[in-house]
Amino acid sequence: GENVEQHPSTLSVQEGDSAVIKCTYSDSASNYFPWYKQELGKRPQLIIDIRSNVGEKKDQRIAVTLNKTAKHFSLHITETQPEDSAVYFCAASPYSGGYQKVTFGTGTKLQVIP
Amino acid sequence: NAGVTQTPKFQVLKTGQSMTLQCAQDMNHNSMYWYRQDPGMGLRLIYYSASEGTTDKGEVPNGYNVSRLNKREFSLRLESAAPSQTSVYFCASSPGTSSSNEQFFGPGTRLTVL
Repeated sequence: GENVEQHPSTLSVQEGDSAVIKCTYSDSASNYFPWYKQELGKRPQLIIDIRSNVGEKKDQRIAVTLNKTAKHFSLHITETQPEDSAVYFCAASPYSGGYQKVTFGTGTKLQVIP
Repeated sequence: NAGVTQTPKFQVLKTGQSMTLQCAQDMNHNSMYWYRQDPGMGLRLIYYSASEGTTDKGEVPNGYNVSRLNKREFSLRLESAAPSQTSVYFCASSPGTSSSNEQFFGPGTRLTVL
């Protein structure tokens, strides 16, 4: 089955700096890569996703890059703000046009220091 | 719309007791999922239901059973609870169509087994 590794497990940055979280996956059949944000005591929520036919995707201060050859993808947050503090999960899925059996990474706890 | 709802929010069981976690969604989604979340281990898939009438094992199905009661409801049953099942349980749903992959999570159930 799919194995997703995520690094680092914790990350502290100063407000306004950038944060980068990296993930690797093992199954070459995976072609859908979502990122979820989970605030303390809350449910995970999708913040951005990318499909394998795209190398990069941006949404305001958030961007995701994908290198299919190397089987790794990354989340980039620029101009970090205190409200970005949360746990971030990467995931991979061999999307088949319907349901998706998603494998999650172990999470990165991001702390943005004001 | 309420989205994905779960009951109960908190539960304490003694070893060997049984219980059912309830999940319902009002978004007309085809696919539903049960995850458990443990510190440092991310979200692990227990069971999923690609569509009404079907269920399949995920990564950690041992000790659990599920029922897709109808399109809206997907329950998770612990027949004989064990301390290793102490966790936070999340239900999720997704459209299960080619147009959208996003999974929507419920608020979670915090279960403690003594």
